[in-house]
Amino acid sequence: EPEVTQTPSHQVTQMGQEVILRCVPISNHLYFYWYRQILGQKVEFLVSFYNNEISEKSEIFDDQFSVERPDGSNFTLKIRSTKLEDSAMYFCASRTGTGVSGANVLTFGAGSRLTVL
Amino acid sequence: ILNVEQSPQSLHVQEGDSTNFTCSFPSSNFYALHWYRWETAKSPEALFVMTLNGDEKKKGRISATLNTKEGYSYLYIKGSQPEDSATYLCAFPTGTASKLTFGTGTRLQVTL
Repeated sequence: EPEVTQTPSHQVTQMGQEVILRCVPISNHLYFYWYRQILGQKVEFLVSFYNNEISEKSEIFDDQFSVERPDGSNFTLKIRSTKLEDSAMYFCASRTGTGVSGANVLTFGAGSRLTVL
Repeated sequence: ILNVEQSPQSLHVQEGDSTNFTCSFPSSNFYALHWYRWETAKSPEALFVMTLNGDEKKKGRISATLNTKEGYSYLYIKGSQPEDSATYLCAFPTGTASKLTFGTGTRLQVTL
């Protein structure tokens, strides 16, 4: 069964450092997402990406965050200057573009745990 | 702010017990409701997507119902097994990209 793969599974970084989280979505999917879960809190939406551009972003997704799909397969989330409060599990997800969009399930990766010291 | 709530937050049952949990969501502008199962150290996995009021879906021992008029969905597990131990998340899609707003999750632990 097709999978969404994420690397690294765990990254520890110092405050102020740049971090890149990588994702390989399912090849025929058209919509790509990043979500995160801070320990003990809800899973929260960060950004969605479609047709090589951001289609929607949350208030959390400020100027220190960016996404790109550099080679048509990888989908990356960059955090330019990490803060302590960026410590969380970051999930990549993708879905097809067919049918009623709200009814398309998301396929999630296993997450990248980011710890900022 | 969209409010999707789940209860209880956690649940501890014995093997063989049947259990259920609730997801409540806004009843206006309804498109669909998603249920995901998330085992520790694994990817959240889709269980159901429900779109119609009165919908009932079933996957093995797990089933779900939907009431869009009053804004709630129930997830039922019949004869719980230890492998059912996971966090069960409901989510409500909104926006042009159908981003999901998640509930807090119900953490289920099934012991022998």
